[in-house]
Amino acid sequence: DAGITQSPRHKVTETGTPVTLRCHQTENHRYMYWYRQDPGHGLRLIHYSYGVKDTDKGEVSDGYSVSRSKTEDFLLTLESATSSQTSVYFCAISHGDIYTEAFFGQGTRLTVV
Amino acid sequence: GNSVTQMEGPVTLSEEAFLTINCTYTATGYPSLFWYVQYPGEGLQLLLKATKADDKGSNKGFEATYRKETTSFHLEKGSVQVSDSAVYFCALHPGGAQKLVFGQGTRLTINP
Repeated sequence: DAGITQSPRHKVTETGTPVTLRCHQTENHRYMYWYRQDPGHGLRLIHYSYGVKDTDKGEVSDGYSVSRSKTEDFLLTLESATSSQTSVYFCAISHGDIYTEAFFGQGTRLTVV
Repeated sequence: GNSVTQMEGPVTLSEEAFLTINCTYTATGYPSLFWYVQYPGEGLQLLLKATKADDKGSNKGFEATYRKETTSFHLEKGSVQVSDSAVYFCALHPGGAQKLVFGQGTRLTINP
């Protein structure tokens, strides 16, 4: 299995509070991604990173920010959580080239009440 | 732009039935194509891939052939098992510095 760890695995938080999810890799892959998975929507890309301090927005980035200060860590922050951000969040890593696949973490189930 | 369209689920089959999950794509250039599988409570994992036209990817009895002329990458298995129950995602990598593009996923349930 690819060395990719998400923390926490489960979290319940209140509306309006900040939340940070962490993705840690031991594979030295250049690309890291944050997705959310919701029924009926499949996987939607929130943000991704193509190197330390290099990040870009995905298709559903509103309300989320990210940071990557080290190759191995990619943080996703919900500045002020809302109920619409209740979801399962997946981190993924890849070399980024066309021939190799992405590897996914186990997911974080976030509930905003 | 780049996009992936999968057959809508859910799909329910009996054990030992033949499985096809359709996947078609739109891409500029020559993408690589992937099938991922997600078992309950887990993240996605690669099932198989094909990186050029006419390539066949295969794994665990599943197969898919990269058909450039029909822009398709249909997933097939000759005899499904209860343990194949999962959500299946078709995806493409367009190349260059672009990102993976996923289909919506197809939930498959196999009944004994």
